[in-house]
Amino acid sequence: NAGVTQTPKFQVLKTGQSMTLQCAQDMNHEYMSWYRQDPGMGLRLIHYSVGAGITDQGEVPNGYNVSRSTTEDFPLRLLSAAPSQTSVYFCASRDRGGPSTDTQYFGPGTRLTVL
Amino acid sequence: SQKIEQNSEALNIQEGKTATLTCNYTNYSPAYLQWYRQDPGRGPVFLLLIRENEKEKRKERLKVTFDTTLKQSLFHITASQPADSATYLCALDGIRAGKSTFGDGTTLTVKP
Repeated sequence: NAGVTQTPKFQVLKTGQSMTLQCAQDMNHEYMSWYRQDPGMGLRLIHYSVGAGITDQGEVPNGYNVSRSTTEDFPLRLLSAAPSQTSVYFCASRDRGGPSTDTQYFGPGTRLTVL
Repeated sequence: SQKIEQNSEALNIQEGKTATLTCNYTNYSPAYLQWYRQDPGRGPVFLLLIRENEKEKRKERLKVTFDTTLKQSLFHITASQPADSATYLCALDGIRAGKSTFGDGTTLTVKP
């Protein structure tokens, strides 16, 4: 299993540009989440999904959109990039049911800079 | 509003000693609490999970306690090694699955 994969690893955008951060998992997990991590801080939840077709907002959803058309993929869209969105973005997935249900697996992150 | 505090941003200890990290929370009734390790430039890695009805959980040199009355979790690393140096994050989950709230982390440095 590849686990949770994220692309790209690095990205530089100009203010106002839009882009999609890709996230995929091959563990057939129902739960997927997007977090951002600013320097010296913990992770803040942007959006999450408890299954295909179901998404909900987290703590800091403004400026981001998500969709979940398949179990495997959970892309994060930046609608109009702003310097405040400069951060490291992590995607995570988690199973539901079973003894290891609550283990959350994280991807390697996407480092985004908005100029 | 919900708040999670992890003790001091940095903790320095000598190799072989026990490291104790603290996670305190307010305005929250978590169903369970998780601890993660994060190395520089990497994503967090899950270590341990403890549920609200459990007092203590162990895994090799790691031990987690959970006191819902004090609203506190303690994370212990016994016989610490320089390889244990990393940032440790605690995260709380409510009944509504899939929605974790993280603390800012404690950076542990174990000196040889």
